[in-house]
Amino acid sequence: GENVEQHPSTLSVQEGDSAVIKCTYSDSASNYFPWYKQELGKRPQLIIDIRSNVGEKKDQRIAVTLNKTAKHFSLHITETQPEDSAVYFCAAIPNDYKLSFGAGTTVTVRA
Amino acid sequence: GAGVSQSPRYKVAKRGQDVALRCDPISGHVSLFWYQQALGQGPEFLTYFQNEAQLDKSGLPSDRFFAERPEGSVSTLKIQRTQQEDSAVYLCASRGLAVYNEQFFGPGTRLTVL
Repeated sequence: GENVEQHPSTLSVQEGDSAVIKCTYSDSASNYFPWYKQELGKRPQLIIDIRSNVGEKKDQRIAVTLNKTAKHFSLHITETQPEDSAVYFCAAIPNDYKLSFGAGTTVTVRA
Repeated sequence: GAGVSQSPRYKVAKRGQDVALRCDPISGHVSLFWYQQALGQGPEFLTYFQNEAQLDKSGLPSDRFFAERPEGSVSTLKIQRTQQEDSAVYLCASRGLAVYNEQFFGPGTRLTVL
């Protein structure tokens, strides 16, 4: 099955700086890569996703890049704000339904 | 509109008890998923329904776990003879018909087995 690895496990940044989270996946059949944000005690919420026919996607301060050859994808958050503090999960879908999640990155934005 | 809802939000069970966790998906969503999230980990896939058909149950940890969705809407995850290792947050998600549609998650049920 699909194996998704995520780094780093924790990330502390100064407010206004950028945050980068990197993920690798194992199954070359994976073709959809969503990123979820989960605040403490809350449900995971989709913040951005990318399909395999696209190399980069941006939505305001958030961007995701995908390198299918290397089987890795990254989340970039620019101009971080305190409300960006949360756990972020990358995921991949090797078929059309089963999300395989990374272990998560706890992001702390210092004021 | 209403999102995915789950009940109960918290459940404490004594080891050996049976529990039933309920999921109400977004109206009209044909796909429904159950995930298990251990503390400090990402969600792990348990099972997948399309309408009332359970198409994949490969993630269920043991035969003590059983899920159903008899009318293609509400789903129940049942755990028999609970063990301490079953303690986790159980998340339900639903999705519209298209493959690349977002999976919308419920708030989860936090199960603690004593």
